[in-house]
Parts: sequence; C-alpha cells; structure tokens
Amino acid sequence: EVQLVESGGGLVQPGGSLRLSCAASGFTFSSYAMSWVRQAPGKGLECVSVISGSDDSTNYADSVKGRFTISRDNSRDTLYLQMNSLRAEDTAVYYCARGTRLPGYWGQGTLVTVSS
Amino acid sequence: DVVMTQSPLSLPVTLGQPASISCRSSQSLVYSDGNTCLNWFQQRPGQSPRRLIYKVSNRDSGVPDRFSGSGSGTDFTLRISRVEAEDVGVYYCMQGTYWPHTFGQGTKLEIK
Repeated sequence: EVQLVESGGGLVQPGGSLRLSCAASGFTFSSYAMSWVRQAPGKGLECVSVISGSDDSTNYADSVKGRFTISRDNSRDTLYLQMNSLRAEDTAVYYCARGTRLPGYWGQGTLVTVSS
Repeated sequence: DVVMTQSPLSLPVTLGQPASISCRSSQSLVYSDGNTCLNWFQQRPGQSPRRLIYKVSNRDSGVPDRFSGSGSGTDFTLRISRVEAEDVGVYYCMQGTYWPHTFGQGTKLEIK
C-alpha cells in the first residue's frame, strides 16, 4: 500500500525557517517524481515545487522561488522541503504527492503557520 | 501560467440526480508526448485531495463508475451520473502539462 507521511510543520515567526519531510513507503521511491502542494486555510490548491526521481530536475512556483528548496534522499525514501524566509502568506497545509503531471497519491498534510 | 477556470463554483444537487462540472484551460493541454495531463480531484471535508480521474477520462482504482471525465484541448467535464451523500466536497481540475501545474478554483458540491 502506498503511504506518504508528512512531518515538520508547526508555528514559525516571519523570516524563520522550517524543513518538511515526507516519508514514503509501499513503492519504489526513486522511480517516481514527487510534488509539494499547499493549501492555505479555506483556499484552493497550489503546486509549490516538484522534483524528478533522480533528483536532477526541480521546479518552483514563482511565489517560493529563491526561498524554498526541494530535495530527496532515495536511500531513505524521503522527500524534503526546506523553507526559508517564511512569510505570513506561506501559512498552509503542505501535502506531498507521488507524481507531478498526474499526482495520484497524497499524504495527509502538515500545517505550517507563519505568525508572530 | 495556464489558468484553469471551473464552473459552477457552487453546485447544489438532489440525491440521485446527475451533476456536471466544467473546467476550461487558457491553452491547449496536449503534452509533447500526445497525452493530455488533465486530472480531477475530490476533497471531502477535512481530508486530503483524492484523484478521481487522470488524463481526461481514466478513472482511478476504487473510484465508483458513476464518475466520468471527458473533453479535449481546452474544454473538460467531470460528470457524476447519480449523486450520493458521500460525494459532498470540493472538486478541482488540475493541469500537469505546463509548469507551474495549476488547479481550478474548486467546485463545492452540496446536497440540496
């Protein structure tokens, strides 16, 4: 069974940093590109960043470019999102998903709150 | 960015009646390999999004056959043949052809 479990969310002050993790199981992690998608409270979905299976290709939404870094450790079956210079508008539930163009499996999400 | 426009944004439906959601993209979603990367997701209250349909019309495993997707190019539709109580939630279309991948605004389905 495919499972994706996010962790690392929490309350952080504006300008602060957080690192999100997504532990994958039930499939060959290195064979799949992965995505981070976020959802602000009461709002819609925004694809934040994607990474290829081999880790040699990444993309970022303009809203996070230069502040967020996606990475993966295929030996640990884990996806990461390093978030720096956090702003109030980054407050959201962050989901990891398997796949990028056709994301078929999603985790339960982790809440990031940016507030003083 | 490719803009995905859904209609209606609110959809009150009587149990057992059909429902239809439209999704239009600001440019054609045909990818370089010939596939059209158009997905439909359901998000029930308090839950993560769940993919229902991928590549326009392919139903995911475990998705009831009352859900169907159709369309081409820039114009797509999700249909529910007979709405059930468990179908309440928000439905999103999403394009994965161009970066950034973008979602529609969401359509909130409720029981009348």
